[in-house]
Amino acid sequence: AQKITQTQPGMFVQEKEAVTLDCTYDTSDPSYGLFWYKQPSSGEMIFLIYQGSYDQQNATEGRYSLNFQKARKSANLVISASQLGDSAMYFCAMRGNTGGFKTIFGAGTRLFVKA
Amino acid sequence: GAGVSQSPSNKVTEKGKDVELRCDPISGHTALYWYRQSLGQGLEFLIYFQGNSAPDKSGLPSDRFSAERTGGSVSTLTIQRTQQEDSAVYLCASSSNLGTGTDTQYFGPGTRLTVL
Repeated sequence: AQKITQTQPGMFVQEKEAVTLDCTYDTSDPSYGLFWYKQPSSGEMIFLIYQGSYDQQNATEGRYSLNFQKARKSANLVISASQLGDSAMYFCAMRGNTGGFKTIFGAGTRLFVKA
Repeated sequence: GAGVSQSPSNKVTEKGKDVELRCDPISGHTALYWYRQSLGQGLEFLIYFQGNSAPDKSGLPSDRFSAERTGGSVSTLTIQRTQQEDSAVYLCASSSNLGTGTDTQYFGPGTRLTVL
């Protein structure tokens, strides 16, 4: 069975510093995709970054990068130079590429950026 | 172009009543997903539609929940005989599902359902 684990219910970071949000996963699917979404207090789900299981390099999108360690089954999100607007819930998600496209989400990490 | 839209944005209903929630996906997106998010929780997968294929209903919590997608576009999620535990935000997402592996899902604003 597929599973996503986010062990940090809440995180604090000082403005302009970097922060790492943890995500570990479990799947028997040989091919899968990993996603991070941001959910501000407004409730919208905003796509941040994607990593494919066969991608050789870690994904980067602006200030977001994904530290993908396949052997450890971890896909941590790194946010560099935190901004006050980064305060939100962050969800890690996984979708298998075989046997359907069901996507499962972790419980989320609430990030607080301090001025 | 327009993003995913959902209606109504808020719905308050009495226990035992039926409700219908609507989702308009991004034009041209062949894949459509429904999720449920209870207060302070992550997203719970409900159902997935892909083109004309049979939907993946494996996440529907009970037979009171059903969904359809007409003409490969608009989808309606129906909850019959609502219960208080059905209170949640119901999120719809669509993706192009080009089989490239990325298949990013774009979410609508959600419908907040409150069952009294």
